[in-house]
Parts: sequence; C-alpha cells; structure tokens
Amino acid sequence: DVLMTQSPLSLPVSLGQPASISCSSSQSLVYRDGNTYLSWFHQRPGQSPRRLIYKVFDRDSGVPDRISGGVSGTDFTLKISRVEAEDVGIYYCMQGTHWPYTFGQGTKLEIK
Amino acid sequence: EVQVVESGGGLVQPGTSLIISCHASGFIFGDYGVHWVRQLPGKGLEWVAGVIWRSGHTGYADSVKGRFVVSRDFARSALYLQMENLKIEDTALYYCTYDSQPGGAEVWGQGTSVTVSS
Repeated sequence: DVLMTQSPLSLPVSLGQPASISCSSSQSLVYRDGNTYLSWFHQRPGQSPRRLIYKVFDRDSGVPDRISGGVSGTDFTLKISRVEAEDVGIYYCMQGTHWPYTFGQGTKLEIK
Repeated sequence: EVQVVESGGGLVQPGTSLIISCHASGFIFGDYGVHWVRQLPGKGLEWVAGVIWRSGHTGYADSVKGRFVVSRDFARSALYLQMENLKIEDTALYYCTYDSQPGGAEVWGQGTSVTVSS
C-alpha cells in the first residue's frame, strides 16, 4: 500500500498568517492516464470531510483562491496564504492513484 | 442537490453481521467509483472498500478482507457493505464517498455509525 506521511500533525497559526502542510508519498502517484490523483480534504469537528483540492492543483467549487496545492516530486503541499477562522479543523491528503486509496494521518490546524 | 446518503448503522455484538447502505440522491452512480471510508472514534480516515461502478471491480483493505463484501444495485444507484464477523475495532463512523474520476472522493455522506460492543 502507498504510505502517505503528513507533517506537521499540529499546526497553530495566527489569523492572517500563512500555513503550509506537507504530504509525502512512498511511491509515484502518476496514474496511467498521466494524471496525479492527490487530493486534500478539510474536516471540521462533527462534519464530514470536504474536498478542497484534487489532482494536486485543482480547487473545488467554492474553495477560496488563498488555498492552493503544489508538488515537488512525491512531496505534496497544501498552502493557505492567509489563515481565517473558518480554516480550523483537520486536513488530510489522500492518494487515489493506487488501490487501496490511502490517507495521511491528518494535520490539525488551530488558531494561535 | 447532489449527495449520498448512508443508512443501516447500529449497535451490534462482536461476531455478528450488519449491512449498511449508500444511496445516490440528485444523481446516479456511474462515472467512476463508490467507496466506503471509515473514521474510528477520534481518529483519522481509513479507506475500507470500493467498487468501480461500471466494471464491478472491487477492492478491500487488509483489515476487512474476507469479512466485508461490497455489492451494487444499478437500478437503485445504491452501494451496500455487508460486514461479517464484526470486531470491536470495526467500531467507526462509516462514510460513503463517490468518485467521478479516480481518486475523486468529491461527494461524501454524513456517515452511518457502527458500534460493535458486548
């Protein structure tokens, strides 16, 4: 199975400051169609996960452009340029290139 | 509104069986896959099982292989998870999630809670 390793696991950030979460995969996530199926999800307490980013870079509808995804090799990044109160919660990366799909451990973002 | 709706969770004893369901609402399953993802109390997300809708190809996590089976109903646009020989460690909130492409997981339900306890 593909191991997805997230860091940090806890991320205290002041309002208006940037935040960055890393996710490293144990193998290439390039699918046979040339796409890389790496997604990011946000889960608020008591709610279902919501997808933010898919195929590394693409934002879902309604996701503000201060949230972005990036990659360098097998190291993926979720960046929030200016943290707002609504950003608190747990962020997960997930690879969907290989079965079984696998998730990172989750990063808990809180306001400092 | 496009959504998936899970049902069928409950409290069961270890060693028993349970079937949970996932229904599409506002659309029909078909573009790619439908999956079960669970979240143990206070823990992260774990993919449990899934099916590529049109081909019927299925996959299972090692932790449930041989005990859980997914099946689909085209007419009802429904996915089922038959869980046998349930263990205490299967206690979790079970989410259904839908892909319109590989690794999509763009639609999530509210989850159905399964508690295995004596």
